[in-house]
Amino acid sequence: GENVEQHPSTLSVQEGDSAVIKCTYSDSASNYFPWYKQELGKGPQLIIDIRSNVGEKKDQRIAVTLNKTAKHFSLHITETQPEDSAVYFCAAMLREYGNKLVFGAGTILRVKS
Amino acid sequence: GAVVSQHPSRVICKSGTSVKIECRSLDFQATTMFWYRQFPKQSLMLMATSNEGSKATYEQGVEKDKFLINHASLTLSTLTVTSAHPEDSSFYICSAPNRDYQYFGPGTRLLVL
Repeated sequence: GENVEQHPSTLSVQEGDSAVIKCTYSDSASNYFPWYKQELGKGPQLIIDIRSNVGEKKDQRIAVTLNKTAKHFSLHITETQPEDSAVYFCAAMLREYGNKLVFGAGTILRVKS
Repeated sequence: GAVVSQHPSRVICKSGTSVKIECRSLDFQATTMFWYRQFPKQSLMLMATSNEGSKATYEQGVEKDKFLINHASLTLSTLTVTSAHPEDSSFYICSAPNRDYQYFGPGTRLLVL
């Protein structure tokens, strides 16, 4: 089955700096890669996603890149703000497996003001 | 975006009792819903896939007789934790796919005393 590894486990950045979180996946057939932000005591919120037919996607301060050959994808947050502080999870999905998401272990992002 | 609700948001129960958690898709129909469990500072672990009108599919290691799932309508799935024990205390989250995305509920915090 699919296995997703996520690094780093914690990340501290100064307000205004960029943050990068990386994930690798094992099943080359996976075709959908979402990123979720989870605040304490709440459910995950989708912040950006990318499909296997695209190499990069951007939405304001957030971008995701995908390297299918190397089987890794990354989340980039620019101009970080204190409200970006949360736990971020990457995930991989293979539609043929019933749309199941396999999550990475998560990254605690702290933006220091 | 689509909305998924959960009820209750938090519940405290005595050891040995059963607890039912509801997951509803508010503005779309979902023939499939997913149930996750999340322990503190850990990632989301898929427990089972709830299928409308048929039996749920459980992940390896999840006891189907302990975690009863019913998906009686296109907008409602329920998870019943039977004979709850303190080690069942966790954050339970459901999700439902809508078109190409998967939307998560706000989660239910279960504490078993």
